Amino acid sequence: DVKVTQSSRYLVKRTGEKVFLECVQDMDHENMFWYRQDPGLGLRLIYFSYDVKMKEKGDIPEGYSVSREKKERFSLILESASTNQTSMYLCASSLQQGAAYNSPLHFGNGTRLTVT
Amino acid sequence: KQEVTQIPAALSVPEGENLVLNCSFTDSAIYNLQWFRQDPGKGLTSLLLIQSSQREQTSGRLNASLDKSSGRSTLYIAASQPGDSATYLCAVKAAGNKLTFGGGTRVLVKP
Repeated sequence: DVKVTQSSRYLVKRTGEKVFLECVQDMDHENMFWYRQDPGLGLRLIYFSYDVKMKEKGDIPEGYSVSREKKERFSLILESASTNQTSMYLCASSLQQGAAYNSPLHFGNGTRLTVT
Repeated sequence: KQEVTQIPAALSVPEGENLVLNCSFTDSAIYNLQWFRQDPGKGLTSLLLIQSSQREQTSGRLNASLDKSSGRSTLYIAASQPGDSATYLCAVKAAGNKLTFGGGTRVLVKP
């Protein structure tokens, strides 16, 4: 079974702090994604990556950056946390693009981030 | 821009009844459609993936159908159980390898 692990289930940070959310997958997937989920707004894509050191903006990249130094690890960085970034953050992975058109997306358990 | 809608937003049924969950999408140029389950405070679990060339996909008590021309998919859960209580989301994949998610249907199966 694919395992996508997010390092923290709950995080509380202060406004202005730099925040790192870590995600690791164990199935050698090329594609990795970061979403946020908010009531009434659903899941929104922040950033995704097709390969090591490669990244692409999703629908709401403002205020975020990402890092993919190794294939199995995809980090989401909040450069200066703000209260409107309080949310549930979900990491996901899937097989490479050629096969990924019909490859399911596998999610981690999420990190609930509160910015005060 | 692709839009995915799930109606109703919430559904309550007695145990044993069959569940019918709906998903509609505006652009039929999709590669596949995926159904997910989400338990409170958790991530999403993939249930079924239907390729654009398929009409349906089955796994145990779950059956999902796809009608691309009308922009609809239906997830059927036979003989519902209290353990089926969760939020069910559908998502469509189009060009660019991006998924567009619906808002989900929150299901409560009452014993």
